[in-house]
Amino acid sequence: DAKTTQPNSMESNEEEPVHLPCNHSTISGTDYIHWYRQLPSQGPEYVIHGLTSNVNNRMASLAIAEDRKSSTLILHRATLRDAAVYYCILRPPTGANNLFFGTGTRLTVIP
Amino acid sequence: EAGVAQSPRYKIIEKRQSVAFWCNPISGHATLYWYQQILGQGPKLLIQFQNNGVVDDSQLPKDRFSAERLKGVDSTLKIQPAKLEDSAVYLCASSLASLVEQYFGPGTRLTVT
Repeated sequence: DAKTTQPNSMESNEEEPVHLPCNHSTISGTDYIHWYRQLPSQGPEYVIHGLTSNVNNRMASLAIAEDRKSSTLILHRATLRDAAVYYCILRPPTGANNLFFGTGTRLTVIP
Repeated sequence: EAGVAQSPRYKIIEKRQSVAFWCNPISGHATLYWYQQILGQGPKLLIQFQNNGVVDDSQLPKDRFSAERLKGVDSTLKIQPAKLEDSAVYLCASSLASLVEQYFGPGTRLTVT
């Protein structure tokens, strides 16, 4: 399984943008990049995913490098509710839908 | 839309005892997953069902863990006998099909003493 590397922790001030990086230098040409987050005492929740182009949804934006070896999850205005562990996961397009979680990035939002 | 339901939310048992967890996925979701999350780590897949058939159980410690999804809807995960290292949160997730986003339940926190 292709590996991802994320910083262990990050901090952001409330209402400021947050850029969460993920390195995946061994990504294959067909792997999708998925982001999930896990709020305290809850199960993970889906945030966004992409393949090559940048993606936007109501929760966040995903910026994917041209060579696909890295990506950045962007929260446009961090709120206290965004404090969570964010996981960057690579998923192949076929086969079992297993999600291989690493240790993720713990985001702290400062009021 | 109701989410993934799990029970119990918390369980404390002594080592060598047995325990069972229950999961009810989102209605209509064919794929069901059980994950184990040890404190400080990301979730690790234990078993994946497609309807009532097992797709992947390669990470399930089959000498002590078992899981079933008899009617292709709800599922149970059992540990017998439990060990101290089984202390973790057990998460159930479901998806409409394979290869789409997964929806997670709140988890069952197991403490083995």
